[in-house]
Amino acid sequence: GAVVSQHPSRVICKSGTSVKIECRSLDFQATTMFWYRQFPKQSLMLMATSNEGSKATYEQGVEKDKFLINHASLTLSTLTVTSAHPEDSSFYICSARGASGGDEQFFGPGTRLTVL
Amino acid sequence: DQQVKQNSPSLSVQEGRISILNCDYTNSMFDYFLWYKKYPAEGPTFLISISSIKDKNEDGRFTVFLNKSAKHLSLHIVPSQPGDSAVYFCAATGNTDKLIFGTGTRLQVFP
Repeated sequence: GAVVSQHPSRVICKSGTSVKIECRSLDFQATTMFWYRQFPKQSLMLMATSNEGSKATYEQGVEKDKFLINHASLTLSTLTVTSAHPEDSSFYICSARGASGGDEQFFGPGTRLTVL
Repeated sequence: DQQVKQNSPSLSVQEGRISILNCDYTNSMFDYFLWYKKYPAEGPTFLISISSIKDKNEDGRFTVFLNKSAKHLSLHIVPSQPGDSAVYFCAATGNTDKLIFGTGTRLQVFP
């Protein structure tokens, strides 16, 4: 089956630093990758959609200068949280959709970000 | 504006019995619905889906029912097993790439 990995699985950082989260599709080419955020006891909220080689499309209310997304290849997308603050602490999950299309997304295991 | 709603935050079911998880949506443009299972500190895993042209889809112990007129879908798990204990999210999509998730229902299956 389609496997998506995320690295790191957990990160703790000081306020003001930047954190990069990687999302990789291990056994398929992902033309589209999605980044979600989940706060405790809440739903997964889509942050942005990225297509390989083009700029990401951000959802309303998500600061594109704060959450930098790069989808440089068909197997890798990165999310960089710049100048992180405690309110950015959350569970970040990526998903990927293959070149064959369809509505099914394959999710990574998530990254727990804690900003002190 | 919550377009996909799961009104029961939790459900407790005895092993062997049926678990029924419900989901309601408001957007009539949604035409494809999915159920995901999620364990703590992990990403969601896909369970089963249904297209709006169908009213039922079955895969092993999992069956999803869709009632378009009521804008309601449900996931039936039978028989329920302790390993089914997790948070279940329904999600919907229409003519865009976006998956809109419900808030989830925590299922606990006890022996």
